[in-house]
Amino acid sequence: DGGITQSPKYLFRKEGQNVTLSCEQNLNHDAMYWYRQDPGQGLRLIYYSQIVNDFQKGDIAEGYSVSREKKESFPLTVTSAQKNPTAFYLCASSMRQGATNSPLHFGNGTRLTVT
Amino acid sequence: DAKTTQPNSMESNEEEPVHLPCNHSTISGTDYIHWYRQLPSQGPEYVIHGLTSNVNNRMASLAIAEDRKSSTLILHRATLRDAAVYYCILRRPGNAGNMLTFGGGTRLMVKP
Repeated sequence: DGGITQSPKYLFRKEGQNVTLSCEQNLNHDAMYWYRQDPGQGLRLIYYSQIVNDFQKGDIAEGYSVSREKKESFPLTVTSAQKNPTAFYLCASSMRQGATNSPLHFGNGTRLTVT
Repeated sequence: DAKTTQPNSMESNEEEPVHLPCNHSTISGTDYIHWYRQLPSQGPEYVIHGLTSNVNNRMASLAIAEDRKSSTLILHRATLRDAAVYYCILRRPGNAGNMLTFGGGTRLMVKP
């Protein structure tokens, strides 16, 4: 079955360390996204990518970095510059960036705890 | 960007229909209305979307007002598995891409 895989499900890090969250999709989707969700809140967009080797900042990109070297993969690095990194991180993909009627497919998230 | 307004929470009895409202008074002509739902500790799941006409699929129905300033997600017979947070989102094209902005959503509680 096609889908989006995020790993690991839970991640613990010490303050000051960079950490990379994995996101892989086998849906052959062009566009991929990273969202952050805090308890009881909606989703906020961190970064998105419309095509390989291209990505743009979302609403809350500070303290995060991404790469898109392969169509299937869109890893997110949470750097030590991110002031409040503890959150639930969600990766998503969609068929075509320009298609407003193309739904998003989400992974099951990575819960990052930084102490 | 156009925003949506949803009630924070709603309750329903099992096996009864549920109508989840969403207001989007600043919607533009090219915005699609999308609905997603999120179960605890999971990623959101696509439910349904539409532009102007009412839409039906195996999960739900979407009723869109004639002026498109509001819409209603209809679950015909609520089950305990339908308890989730439901997000109403407007999806628009533009130079910044085609992202979805998720607000707080409606937490649906289903009573047995």
